[in-house]
Amino acid sequence: GQQVMQIPQYQHVQEGEDFTTYCNSSTTLSNIQWYKQRPGGHPVFLIQLVKSGEVKKQKRLTFQFGEAKKNSSLHITATQTTDVGTYFCLAGGYQKVTFGTGTKLQVIP
Amino acid sequence: DTEVTQTPKHLVMGMTNKKSLKCEQHMGHRAMYWYKQKAKKPPELMFVYSYEKLSINESVPSRFSPECPNSSLLNLHLHALQPEDSALYLCASSHLSTGGGADTQYFGPGTRLTVL
Repeated sequence: GQQVMQIPQYQHVQEGEDFTTYCNSSTTLSNIQWYKQRPGGHPVFLIQLVKSGEVKKQKRLTFQFGEAKKNSSLHITATQTTDVGTYFCLAGGYQKVTFGTGTKLQVIP
Repeated sequence: DTEVTQTPKHLVMGMTNKKSLKCEQHMGHRAMYWYKQKAKKPPELMFVYSYEKLSINESVPSRFSPECPNSSLLNLHLHALQPEDSALYLCASSHLSTGGGADTQYFGPGTRLTVL
């Protein structure tokens, strides 16, 4: 089946530092989505990328889809304590979806 | 209304009990999902319903029995569970697109299940 790996598994950063998580698929993807799960919460949709090489920005967050559509990244500039949580990528086909392994972000004030 | 609701929030049950988890959405989504999430792990897909019919069962043990009474409701019936079934059970809904790729998932807050 489809495997979606994320690195790193954990990341501790000082508030104000940047953060990046990478998502790698074993297969070419039609699209990729990113979700954030706060501690004790549920996954919340952040963004969807569809096109090869696509870059999208949401305030301090920058999302990229690789040229080969097998990998993606999420970069946060100048982290804040509100960025704490686990970031998951999600890939899949019609209905059948697979979450990436997730990157847990801790921000030290 | 962009909310998916789940009840109960917490559930403790014995291995001989029968209980049900409930999920509801009013976004007009025609796909609904059950996920299981263990601590420090990503959500794992269990079941998918599309147009109220079961379309995906990810080899889930028969002690978990899903039901979709109508387009807004999704139930998960639990019977003879094991302690290792303790987890956060998440419901989600989505539109059904035809373009390939994953559809955006809207999650409920989950039911935290403990099996004693």
